[in-house]
Formats: sequence, structure tokens, C-alpha cells
Amino acid sequence: QSALTQPPSASGSPGQSVTISCTGTSSDVGGYEYVSWYQQHPGKAPKLMIYDVTKRPSGVPDRFSGSKSGNTASLTVSGLQTEDEADYYCSSYAGTNNRGVFGGGTKLTVL
Amino acid sequence: QVQLQESGPGLVKPSETLSLTCAVSGYSIISNYYWGWVRQPPGKGLEWIATIHHSGSADYNPSLKSRVKISVETSRNQFSLKVNSVTAADTAVYYCARDIQVSATFDYWGQGTLVTVSS
Repeated sequence: QSALTQPPSASGSPGQSVTISCTGTSSDVGGYEYVSWYQQHPGKAPKLMIYDVTKRPSGVPDRFSGSKSGNTASLTVSGLQTEDEADYYCSSYAGTNNRGVFGGGTKLTVL
Repeated sequence: QVQLQESGPGLVKPSETLSLTCAVSGYSIISNYYWGWVRQPPGKGLEWIATIHHSGSADYNPSLKSRVKISVETSRNQFSLKVNSVTAADTAVYYCARDIQVSATFDYWGQGTLVTVSS
């Protein structure tokens, strides 16, 4: 059982927007501004898409955005493209004794 | 360009020790940042294992801490992972990655290496 809860699946049509949630507790997501999101295509290593809740690494399209409210973080993908179809994982800092806890992952399907 | 490459045995027997090394190129591990390991069992999600600073200061996933050791070899610009007393549950793709801050935030990843625990 993962520390953070994500829906197993999400979907949208090309051009639409989709939001993936990541629910934790006040000891992780709600307690720190250290939520990250990763994209993983089959057989590939994860790719950092969002960090520190809202920041995008260089090269990540601005179609990807992050937010947080209370103990739930969200990743929004706007203007869906076929290449966005992948698994998405959230992670959060959980204190000095646990630098990183991950969600179980969400499979995003672009219909 | 920062590159990481995992190496180590692909098959380990139950109760033995899993040992992996991550060679870093294009960046000196003593320049900045932290360095860590993440694993992914087949068909399952990601799990943070451990992170180390070039000074030797390390943090571990509490659920694995008793069986895991991470170390750094600055002269070779590489870092390593050992997991002892392995079981089938340790079968996974093991990734090494650069950790940019205190929160296990990984911006560069190796390609991953599958380690199977089986007799």
C-alpha cells in the first residue's frame, strides 16, 4: 500500500484537460511544499515534470501544472497530446526520517 | 549532460546481498546535490530507497533501513547500494538518480537495471 493515494486511471481526449489527484496527510503532502510529479512511459525511467508543488524543470511544457490544497496535490495536463499517455506518480517529503514517499501511480490514457 | 548508469548482477539468490553501483558522468558528485536509489517492482509503483550526500551523510526509507546501505566513492564519481537478506519481494528495477534537494526530488535518472531474486 502506497503512502500517497492516486486514482489508478484517468483519461481525456486530445486538446482537453485532465487533473490527477494525490492525497496524503498533514505529515507529508499537507505539511511541506515539497510535492513532485513524475511521468513514466513503458520501459523508461521516470521523468520529473513538477517539483516544489508548482515548479517546472527546464524543458517541461507549460501544459503541465501543479497545485496543492490541504493534504491533496494535483497535476493538471492541459491541451492533452497523445504523447502525454503515460503513468504519473506523485511524491512528497515526509520529514527528516523519510525524504520521499510516492503515490501508487495513475495511468493516463489519451483517447 | 548528466548521465547515470547502473551496474550489478541481474540475479541474486534469496538471503544473499544485492549490490549495485551507479556511475555518474557529465557532473562531479562532489559539486552539489544528493544521489539516490529508487526501485520499482514489476508492474508496480515507485519506492524511494536511500539518498546520500558526497560528505557521506545518508537517509534511508524507514521500511528498508535495517537492510540497506548506501555509500559514495568520490574518487570514482560513483555511488553504491547494498540490500542484504533479500527475498522475492526485492525483485525490481533499480534506478539511481540525482536528488536536487532534501525532499527526494530526482531530476536525472539512470536507465534502470532489473534485479531478480530467485534460487
